[in-house]
Amino acid sequence: QKEVEQDPGPLSVPEGAIVSLNCTYSNSAFQYFMWYRQYSRKGPELLMYTYSSGNKEDGRFTAQVDKSSKYISLFIRDSQPSDSATYLCAMSAYQAGTALIFGKGTTLSVSS
Amino acid sequence: DGGITQSPKYLFRKEGQNVTLSCEQNLNHDAMYWYRQDPGQGLRLIYYSQIVNDFQKGDIAEGYSVSREKKESFPLTVTSAQKNPTAFYLCASSADRDQETQYFGPGTRLLVL
Repeated sequence: QKEVEQDPGPLSVPEGAIVSLNCTYSNSAFQYFMWYRQYSRKGPELLMYTYSSGNKEDGRFTAQVDKSSKYISLFIRDSQPSDSATYLCAMSAYQAGTALIFGKGTTLSVSS
Repeated sequence: DGGITQSPKYLFRKEGQNVTLSCEQNLNHDAMYWYRQDPGQGLRLIYYSQIVNDFQKGDIAEGYSVSREKKESFPLTVTSAQKNPTAFYLCASSADRDQETQYFGPGTRLLVL
């Protein structure tokens, strides 16, 4: 079992839809959870950062962490064509000498 | 205007040749990282450095080398020992206390001639 699992998609939705992107993980030591957005041929940009369990909202984006189920989600409300990108989840146990563990990314396409 | 720069944007390598990818940051971050991204593979860690003059191997360090002589710079050399170097290479940095929040450069695409 891989440490982080993420459905690669592609996921296609119409403009205005609510999008749900998810990752599961196996390492219960993970405490920090991130979502990155990556446009084609560009570097990833940090979208959301959450510590431990709970929800975090930023505009149209909501990040949710359920540590008991080892499951994290990113919700995008009122999706726009400019949201079309690959979304990468990442997580860390924040122990000395460790680095982020990334999912493989989900490709999202929002059509107008 | 703070950020991470990578150069070149595209790089071509001939068989048996070593090539060096540049990464510079002016964010005053202590930690820097190199990742490789292949289609369908996600990001895989090559090397990382938490402080000047120190670095550690990541998951796929074979065929790569790095140096960290200055805080702002973390160049990656792809050696001839790396048999499948074609990929998108991403450099990232983070403040020491926020290792989990990494900021990425625009990437270098390496192609083999």
